[in-house]
Amino acid sequence: GAVVSQHPSWVICKSGTSVKIECRSLDFQATTMFWYRQFPKQSLMLMATSNEGSKATYEQGVEKDKFLINHASLTLSTLTVTSAHPEDSSFYICSVPSSGSGNEQFFGPGTRLTVL
Amino acid sequence: GNSVTQMEGPVTLSEEAFLTINCTYTATGYPSLFWYVQYPGEGLQLLLKATKADDKGSNKGFEATYRKETTSFHLEKGSVQVSDSAVYFCALSATSGTYKYIFGTGTRLKVLA
Repeated sequence: GAVVSQHPSWVICKSGTSVKIECRSLDFQATTMFWYRQFPKQSLMLMATSNEGSKATYEQGVEKDKFLINHASLTLSTLTVTSAHPEDSSFYICSVPSSGSGNEQFFGPGTRLTVL
Repeated sequence: GNSVTQMEGPVTLSEEAFLTINCTYTATGYPSLFWYVQYPGEGLQLLLKATKADDKGSNKGFEATYRKETTSFHLEKGSVQVSDSAVYFCALSATSGTYKYIFGTGTRLKVLA
């Protein structure tokens, strides 16, 4: 399966600053990547679908101006949390869909964001 | 709407014990069902999947059967090992051809030697 990396693995920032998280597909070209958010002891929630060469598709209730997604190339998608606040503290995970059948996805290791 | 309900953890077992992690779902139509595993410091990995009723997914000694009548996809393993310690996620993909997943909350398994 595809190898997906995320950087950084964890980040601590002050309230009001912006944080960029990178998701890279190391051995697989991906026209689509997904961004999830996970709160402690809760499910992974799909935030948005990142599309190479076009705008991201956001899920209902996700603020597109707050969570900026840029799919710069077939191997890189970035999520920028703008003007972060403590309630944005969470675990952010990206994934790359498999080219095969069965709707399988390959997940990155996640980025833990803590906003002070 | 669609949802996945997964038993809460943590689950602590001794090595060679029998494992069951319950997962039930609510969905319209015929979803695909998945179990993902997340080892410490790593991303989620597909453990097994089933795409239609009565299908049994299996991998690494783990099994789960797609039961439409009980809307369940319980994960089982006959004899767990310390290396099975991880977080297990049940998920469904409700629409064929898309990748939108709905995840359960995850169950942490700890196996003691």
